[in-house]
Amino acid sequence: DARVTQTPRHKVTEMGQEVTMRCQPILGHNTVFWYRQTMMQGLELLAYFRNRAPLDDSGMPKDRFSAEMPDATLATLKIQPSEPRDSAVYFCASGSPRTGLMNTEAFFGQGTRLTVV
Amino acid sequence: EDKVVQSPLSLVVHEGDTVTLNCSYEVTNFRSLLWYKQEKKAPTFLFMLTSSGIEKKSGRLSSILDKKELFSILNITATQTGDSAVYLCAVEGGGGSNYKLTFGKGTLLTVNP
Repeated sequence: DARVTQTPRHKVTEMGQEVTMRCQPILGHNTVFWYRQTMMQGLELLAYFRNRAPLDDSGMPKDRFSAEMPDATLATLKIQPSEPRDSAVYFCASGSPRTGLMNTEAFFGQGTRLTVV
Repeated sequence: EDKVVQSPLSLVVHEGDTVTLNCSYEVTNFRSLLWYKQEKKAPTFLFMLTSSGIEKKSGRLSSILDKKELFSILNITATQTGDSAVYLCAVEGGGGSNYKLTFGKGTLLTVNP
């Protein structure tokens, strides 16, 4: 059963600490999205990759957030230093254009619930 | 900037009622509109619509897209308590290879017994 795998599922950290979240996309998917979900803002797109190339990270605070895809099976999202306002659920989603079409549906991982105290 | 607006933000109904959820959008180079259901964890995919007037159905759920007026509706008939969830609308758009999914804030549906 193909699925997007995210680790850790939960993370509690102190302000100022580095946080690294990991995502293993579904094998064969060429697009990876990172979203942050809060009650106030809903799902916000932070960054996304296509064929491992970063396409848009304008949704991320560049001074503290970074996203990378070192290989096709791993995407990472780092926050350094973390702040209480970063507390949220971070979702990774992967997708690939449907055969013969241009449209992509995204499949979500279970998310990392981050709490910064 | 791409924008997706959902209404209502929340809705409380009784089992057996029919509900209509709305999604309007502004996006560059529209490709598709997607509906997701989110219970306690990750959003799960429901429908993808690409053409106007095509109604997608899955059991008691159905959805229509109007590309001229830039909106979609999601209908749920004979609601059940298991339909309680946040329903998310997303639009895929963008130029060249930079197409991406932009989500609305969702509609929280509560179905009471």
